[in-house]
Amino acid sequence: DAKTTQPPSMDCAEGRAANLPCNHSTISGNEYVYWYRQIHSQGPQYIIHGLKNNETNEMASLIITEDRKSSTLILPHATLRDTAVYYCIVRSREGTGENNLFFGTGTRLTVIP
Amino acid sequence: KAGVTQTPRYLIKTRGQQVTLSCSPISGHRSVSWYQQTPGQGLQFLFEYFSETQRNKGNFPGRFSGRQFSNSRSEMNVSTLELGDSALYLCASSLSIQSYNEQFFGPGTRLTVL
Repeated sequence: DAKTTQPPSMDCAEGRAANLPCNHSTISGNEYVYWYRQIHSQGPQYIIHGLKNNETNEMASLIITEDRKSSTLILPHATLRDTAVYYCIVRSREGTGENNLFFGTGTRLTVIP
Repeated sequence: KAGVTQTPRYLIKTRGQQVTLSCSPISGHRSVSWYQQTPGQGLQFLFEYFSETQRNKGNFPGRFSGRQFSNSRSEMNVSTLELGDSALYLCASSLSIQSYNEQFFGPGTRLTVL
């Protein structure tokens, strides 16, 4: 799976949009971008994933650049409960028979009141 | 639908002892993965079970083992505990072993080795 690079920490004011960047310059054509988050001492929570088109769900939006070398997770209206470590993971979805996720160090997002 | 459950949530053991942790996946999910999380190493993959067989394994010593039962419930065992085994142990379930299935994590078992 391709390696990802994320800033170690970010702050965001409550109610504002949180934009979390991720670089994955070695991503290959069959690899998707996944985002998970981990609230303190809880298990990671799946947020969203995408291949090349922008994606949106009830939790967040995912913007992937045209060359697919980077992406941004957007939390449109951050709340205090969004304070967590956010992990960007790149993995193949071609049924490789390997289901393990490679977590990097992630971005620690702190939402400030 | 109930989520992934792990028992116990907290555990304190002493060096040299052994420990067994349990994970019940989401109903209908047949794949269970285990991860170890420590402040120094972050989240690391231990192993994955599907249809009662270990399918993938991370880079951990043989003291770490696991198994899966016919109802997809899984246990992991750590023998001869070391101080460095203190960690949050996370279990994740998914529909099958294919990499396109999303994984759903349990709350974890926090193991402290004294």
